[in-house]
Amino acid sequence: NAGVTQTPKFRILKIGQSMTLQCTQDMNHNYMYWYRQDPGMGLKLIYYSVGAGITDKGEVPNGYNVSRSTTEDFPLRLELAAPSQTSVYFCASTQRGLRNQPQHFGDGTRLSIL
Amino acid sequence: KQEVTQIPAALSVPEGENLVLNCSFTDSAIYNLQWFRQDPGKGLTSLLLIQSSQREQTSGRLNASLDKSSGRSTLYIAASQPGDSATYLCAVSLISNFGNEKLTFGTGTRLTIIP
Repeated sequence: NAGVTQTPKFRILKIGQSMTLQCTQDMNHNYMYWYRQDPGMGLKLIYYSVGAGITDKGEVPNGYNVSRSTTEDFPLRLELAAPSQTSVYFCASTQRGLRNQPQHFGDGTRLSIL
Repeated sequence: KQEVTQIPAALSVPEGENLVLNCSFTDSAIYNLQWFRQDPGKGLTSLLLIQSSQREQTSGRLNASLDKSSGRSTLYIAASQPGDSATYLCAVSLISNFGNEKLTFGTGTRLTIIP
């Protein structure tokens, strides 16, 4: 099983450019999450989704947008890239209706804004 | 606002020693507490999950404890091995308005086991 797959693994953007970080899971999980991890810091929640068409802001949503049109996919959009968005981005998922289950993480996308 | 702290930020111990990693949190109204392992360039792998009603969980050489009233958790690693070298993160969960669990992470402890 592939689990949670993130693409691309690495990307360099110029200030002001836009891009979409892709995340897909093949476990039929309803709940999906986007986190960012800055050096020496813990993960911070950007956005999450509880199912197709339902999303909500996390702790640090500014500068990002998400959509959830299918159960499998949860893309994260950066519209106007800023240096402060240089980070490692992780996508995670878990099954609805099951409490006390660990989240499954992808391997991350390392993004640099120059 | 929930804050999760892990001290120390880095720890080096000789192979074979037992060790303890610490995690503290400010709001005791948590749903559960989880310990994750992160290898360089990789995502997080769940190690242990302790429900709020539990005191400890064990998996192989790992034992995690939870004291909600004092806002503390420890991860005990017995007979450490070089393969245990990684960053260990703890996270506490709360239930969102939608009913899913939202995690707040600590900053992690980078563990190095010296052969």
